[in-house]
Amino acid sequence: ETGVTQTPRHLVMGMTNKKSLKCEQHLGHNAMYWYKQSAKKPLELMFVYNFKEQTENNSVPSRFSPECPNSSHLFLHLHTLQPEDSALYLCASSLRLAEETQYFGPGTRLLVL
Amino acid sequence: RKEVEQDPGPFNVPEGATVAFNCTYSNSASQSFFWYRQDCRKEPKLLMSVYSSGNEDGRFTAQLNRASQYISLLIRDSKLSDSATYLCVVNMRKAGGTSYGKLTFGQGTILTVHP
Repeated sequence: ETGVTQTPRHLVMGMTNKKSLKCEQHLGHNAMYWYKQSAKKPLELMFVYNFKEQTENNSVPSRFSPECPNSSHLFLHLHTLQPEDSALYLCASSLRLAEETQYFGPGTRLLVL
Repeated sequence: RKEVEQDPGPFNVPEGATVAFNCTYSNSASQSFFWYRQDCRKEPKLLMSVYSSGNEDGRFTAQLNRASQYISLLIRDSKLSDSATYLCVVNMRKAGGTSYGKLTFGQGTILTVHP
């Protein structure tokens, strides 16, 4: 299934590195989301974009910086991360913001050393 | 109190067994309810929506009790392929009926079906 793709699938970075996660959806959807999934914790919504405009920032630290150049692409820029930021980062999309069925990408498994 | 609370399990059941998962939510403004399934090291996928009158999809039955703020999922005749984490998900709607687009996930209930 290639509806929502994410790259890279795995990433190891040091606390001083800068990296970016990429998400692309091929479903013609207009809303895109970033979630964080840590071990033993529920998925946490980080950011919501609707027609390229950010509609939600769920109190995410500024070391995470999202970018949505168009409705098909979503980036998450990472800098000066902490070890506790190690998690699975999932991108999702839905046809509309009000459309509740969200389609998830496979995720990027991030390890911060 | 967690916004969406589930028994994390794990539930270990033999093939053919019936198993039920429960979920409670704290926000009475929650209006839409879902069960998602997440296989090991994979992304979550929508299993089924949960409607007020209860609904069934093959071996899966979902129930909603708004008064008790409680959702359930029943799996009959369990298969090995049902082994996964089952996520209870709620969504709030604004006064006009549109969604906030914010799904709130439970921690998930782990199910293992063994031969």
